[in-house]
Order: sequence, then structure tokens, then C-alpha cells
Amino acid sequence: NAGVTQTPKFRILKIGQSMTLQCTQDMNHNYMYWYRQDPGMGLKLIYYSVGAGITDKGEVPNGYNVSRSTTEDFPLRLELAAPSQTSVYFCASSYRNEGWKFFGPGTRLTVL
Amino acid sequence: RKEVEQDPGPFNVPEGATVAFNCTYSNSASQSFFWYRQDCRKEPKLLMSVYSSGNEDGRFTAQLNRASQYISLLIRDSKLSDSATYLCVVGGRDDKIIFGKGTRLHILP
Repeated sequence: NAGVTQTPKFRILKIGQSMTLQCTQDMNHNYMYWYRQDPGMGLKLIYYSVGAGITDKGEVPNGYNVSRSTTEDFPLRLELAAPSQTSVYFCASSYRNEGWKFFGPGTRLTVL
Repeated sequence: RKEVEQDPGPFNVPEGATVAFNCTYSNSASQSFFWYRQDCRKEPKLLMSVYSSGNEDGRFTAQLNRASQYISLLIRDSKLSDSATYLCVVGGRDDKIIFGKGTRLHILP
């Protein structure tokens, strides 16, 4: 099993550009999550999904969108990149919501 | 009180020593507790779940004190490779999972 994979690993965007962060898991987990982690800060939940076709907002959803058309994939979309979105983005999945989570390796995004 | 609070450290500990740190949580209805380890510029990885009766995994011991609303992590015979940030994670019945900001640990040779 590859676990949770994320692409790209690094990206630099200009203000106003858009991009999609990809996340795929091969563990057949229903639950998937997107977190951001700013330097010296804890993980903040952006969006999560409890299964294909179902998504919901987390703590910090503004400026982001998600979709979940399959169990495996949970892409995160930034429509109008802003410097405040400079962060490390982690995708995670789990078998149960209250259970422990597998994290992907992260995407380091810089918006200039 | 913050939902999940940890001493950010850093804890600078000589190799071979024992180190312990706590994590306090505010929601008395919290049901699940974990310790994750995060290496610099890497993703968090589960270190261990924390059970009501306390649990041990090799050199690591985790304990839960529901009355005082904290969990603890004890590392014995610390190794250089234990240097990392340790994240406390607390989950409630409302499915809300909260990550602490982490405690940085440096093991000194």
C-alpha cells in the first residue's frame, strides 16, 4: 500500500492564481481530511469528507473548495491564492473519524 | 482554557535521560486521545493511542487523567532519534478532533 499520497510536494503561486492539491489514499478509508499547518502552529482542519459525495467545512474553509467523487481521491482547490494561504498542507485519511489518522507527506505552498 | 494545550518547549534532554510532558484538554466529554510524532518538515505519524488504564510501548508510556483532564507521555532511556515534536490529539463525542501545537524535544548527545 502506498498509503496517502499528495502532489505536488512544493509549489509557488502568485497572488490570484489557482491550483489544485491532489490527495489519494489506497486504504479504502471513508474519512479524508485536509489540514494546514503554519510555522509553530498546530494543524487546522480545512475540510473533511465522510465518504464519496459528502464533504463538510472544518475550522478554516474560507478560500478553499473540495470535492470527493471517489473514495480514493480528495482534491483541495485554491481559487484565488493569497499570501495568507502560504502554509504546509497535509491530507489525511482514517477508517473512523475518532480513530487515528494516516497523513500524506504534505504540500509546501508559498504564495507571493 | 484552550481546547488542547501543550508546553511548546523545547525540552533539551541528555541522551539516556527520562523525559515527560503533559497535554491538557478542556472538553470533559473527550473520548479519544493520541500522541503523534512529527519530525522537522515531515508529516505527523501516530506514536501511540492513550487508553484509560494507561499503556506502554517499549520506552514510551502514555497515561490519561480524566479527573484533571490531561494526558502524559513518558520517554525512558531517550535516544537521539527521539528528537522531534510531539503532538497531543484529543477527540470528542462530537467527532471534533483537536491537535495541540506540539512540544519540541531535543535529545542532546
